[in-house]
Amino acid sequence: NAGVTQTPKFQVLKTGQSMTLQCAQDMNHNSMYWYRQDPGMGLRLIYYSASEGTTDKGEVPNGYNVSRLNKREFSLRLESAAPSQTSVYFCASNYRGGDYEQYFGPGTRLTVT
Amino acid sequence: EDQVTQSPEALRLQEGESSSLNCSYTVSGLRGLFWYRQDPGKGPEFLFTLYSAGEEKEKERLKATLTKKESFLHITAPKPEDSATYLCAVQAQAYAGGTSYGKLTFGQGTILTVHP
Repeated sequence: NAGVTQTPKFQVLKTGQSMTLQCAQDMNHNSMYWYRQDPGMGLRLIYYSASEGTTDKGEVPNGYNVSRLNKREFSLRLESAAPSQTSVYFCASNYRGGDYEQYFGPGTRLTVT
Repeated sequence: EDQVTQSPEALRLQEGESSSLNCSYTVSGLRGLFWYRQDPGKGPEFLFTLYSAGEEKEKERLKATLTKKESFLHITAPKPEDSATYLCAVQAQAYAGGTSYGKLTFGQGTILTVHP
């Protein structure tokens, strides 16, 4: 069981470039989440997918799009990267919504210059 | 608006020196309070879930407790390997498209350093 995996681990982009962060889980979880973690700000929810086929905005969705490709995979896309999107991005999943703990991936460290 | 405040921001202990970390919260409709451990360069690792006031859970040198307004993470006789950032998060029930999901609000964390 790999749990939650994320690719890439590190990425450097120039302002205006685009990229997709990949996330996959092998725990048969229904819900998946994307967070960003910034110093002094804690973890903030960007987008989530309550179940396969649904996605919705979290606390800080501007500048991002997501795709729930299937039950296992949930990707995060930056269409036109900005320096303010420099952060560490974490994907998480849980069995189903409330009452269940979320399990996190190892993170992607993104720098936008 | 759900809010979570953790204190202290940083805590330095000597090996064997017990202490507590605090997590104060306000949330509409608490479904659960979660404690996570995060090592540098890694994702948060789940430790405990607490659901109701008065509940306690233990794991090795860690014990988590919950009241209606705050949670404590007690660390007994810590070792250097307990050094990490400890995150607290509250979960409110939320729905999207008729399906519930876990809306987590995190605190900023307490950086714990245990010196040998």
